[in-house]
Amino acid sequence: GESVGLHLPTLSVQEGDNSIINCAYSNSASDYFIWYKQESGKGPQFIIDIRSNMDKRQGQRVTVLLNKTVKHLSLQIAATQPGDSAVYFCAENHTGGFKTIFGAGTRLFVKA
Amino acid sequence: NAGVTQTPKFRVLKTGQSMTLLCAQDMNHEYMYWYRQDPGMGLRLIHYSVGEGTTAKGEVPDGYNVSRLKKQNFLLGLESAAPSQTSVYFCASSYDRGYEQYFGPGTRLTVT
Repeated sequence: GESVGLHLPTLSVQEGDNSIINCAYSNSASDYFIWYKQESGKGPQFIIDIRSNMDKRQGQRVTVLLNKTVKHLSLQIAATQPGDSAVYFCAENHTGGFKTIFGAGTRLFVKA
Repeated sequence: NAGVTQTPKFRVLKTGQSMTLLCAQDMNHEYMYWYRQDPGMGLRLIHYSVGEGTTAKGEVPDGYNVSRLKKQNFLLGLESAAPSQTSVYFCASSYDRGYEQYFGPGTRLTVT
């Protein structure tokens, strides 16, 4: 069946260190992947996306890597800051369909 | 540009009562979605719409109805609330099916 999962439910990092949040997906037909950030009491916020014709995409302090061979997605946050503390969701989508599948989320704690 | 707004922010219902959640977006998006978020679980799609006047069932549609009479608004109705519908509800919109979704701030609903 379709599923998007996260390897670690919580991640604690020191301020200034790099963070890596991992995600596995099982639907080989998925061709669009998104990372969202959700702060406490707020709705999910788009961070970065990647389409299946790419392996890597960079934003401001964030990088998403896609490994289609092992169906793995990761989000790297450089120089993690206290404001990065949140729950991060990966999501997969097959652009031929209407359903986006969200993972359960990883909570990132940034220690000052 | 307000993005996606939801009303109300909080609501407490008794079992059997009805209510309507309102979602509005000012980005001229065709696609709109209603999700529920429960602790430890990812977002689950309740219903969605691909344009004004259209609605379709998502992953967990039972007990909910929706309407999209105007392009900018997407209403979620609970005809007879049940404790199992206690959750946080998020509305989202997107330009198209293969693009990121923009989320509202959420409605926290408690059914006693």
